[in-house]
Amino acid sequence: EVQLAESGGGLGKPGGSLRLSCAASTFNFSDYTMTWVRQAPGKGLEWVSSITPDSEYTYYADSVKGRFTISRDNAQNSLFLQMNSLRADDTAVYFCALISLLVGSTDSWGQGTLVTVSS
Amino acid sequence: AIQMTQSPSSLSASVGDRVTITCRASQDIRKDLGWYQLKPGKAPKLLIYGATNLESGVPSRFSGSGAGTHFTLTITSLQPEDFASYYCLQDHNYYRTFGQGTRVEIK
Repeated sequence: EVQLAESGGGLGKPGGSLRLSCAASTFNFSDYTMTWVRQAPGKGLEWVSSITPDSEYTYYADSVKGRFTISRDNAQNSLFLQMNSLRADDTAVYFCALISLLVGSTDSWGQGTLVTVSS
Repeated sequence: AIQMTQSPSSLSASVGDRVTITCRASQDIRKDLGWYQLKPGKAPKLLIYGATNLESGVPSRFSGSGAGTHFTLTITSLQPEDFASYYCLQDHNYYRTFGQGTRVEIK
């Protein structure tokens, strides 16, 4: 069973930075594209960013492009999201996910970590 | 970016009712779509992948249909544990997009 566990959430100040981490276990982490998704309070799910298995390609939603950076360490089975120039509308629960819509029994999500941006 | 338009945004239904939720894509996404269930404080749960395939362990009262630009999630005989929010997600390309969500409430 795939297990994903996020950490690093908390209170950040407008204009400040936070770094989220996601630890993966019990699967071939280095074989999969990994993704961050967020849900702001009272809002729907929003795709944030994805990174290919070898880190060759990264993709970002327009809302975070130029401010957030996704990265991974396959040797440590870890995914990261560096969040800079934080804004109040970045306040959300952030989920680390292996999204698999082509093959069954692979899709997996962490429980999420709350990021609150406030002065 | 591919836009996903989901409807309705909310609905009220009773236990035993049949419920249908729709997503429309702004361009042809073949069958590159999944449906998720979301409950407060929990991780999203995949129900349907590849537009029509039931994820392992998901009750058979859930089903998905469609291809191209028009997709539906159907819940036959709604159960108490099905009151939740539902989202479609397209992964036709790496710039994935969710629908706006549908909140299924108890009538």
